[in-house]
Amino acid sequence: DADVTQTPRNRITKTGKRIMLECSQTKGHDRMYWYRQDPGLGLRLIYYSFDVKDINKGEISDGYSVSRQAQAKFSLSLESAIPNQTALYFCATSDSWTPDGMYFGPGTRLTVT
Amino acid sequence: GENVEQHPSTLSVQEGDSAVIKCTYSDSASNYFPWYKQELGKRPQLIIDIRSNVGEKKDQRIAVTLNKTAKHFSLHITETQPEDSAVYFCAAHRTGGFKTIFGAGTRLFVKA
Repeated sequence: DADVTQTPRNRITKTGKRIMLECSQTKGHDRMYWYRQDPGLGLRLIYYSFDVKDINKGEISDGYSVSRQAQAKFSLSLESAIPNQTALYFCATSDSWTPDGMYFGPGTRLTVT
Repeated sequence: GENVEQHPSTLSVQEGDSAVIKCTYSDSASNYFPWYKQELGKRPQLIIDIRSNVGEKKDQRIAVTLNKTAKHFSLHITETQPEDSAVYFCAAHRTGGFKTIFGAGTRLFVKA
């Protein structure tokens, strides 16, 4: 699904480094989300945004920050990466008033050594 | 808080058998219930959904049912095939609400 793209797709970084994951969408959706998935586990919400001026913390926001640069762009930053942030990160989008599901990006596999 | 419980966490069936995954939601105002399939190493993808004004919906070998009174909804896969092996997530959403609440996922194994 090329409507939601994520960069990079894979990243290995060292403890203490700052890293940014980027997400772009062409679906015209107003809502964007960042989820984290650990091996064998479900989706945990990090941050979500309902429009450019709206940013909300999810259930596991500590150690992360986000920026909604435009309706189509939502980036996730790890200010000082730590090994337990090693995970698969998904960006997702949805529409507020005509829900037809959530569209996920291809994921970014992040390894912190 | 709002939550969605999903059972079972793991399900193993023989090819050709049926599989049923059940979810229960807590927010009675939820009115949209999507199901996602996540193959190994891939993104979750919407496979079917149901809205609160409908009790059942079918799409080929998959069907969803909704019982609003009991706040239960289920995914039914008939004539399972090895390619159905994946993790399935249910979710509940309220139009205009804050966010979609996901279940914890069910790992389905279809044995050939």
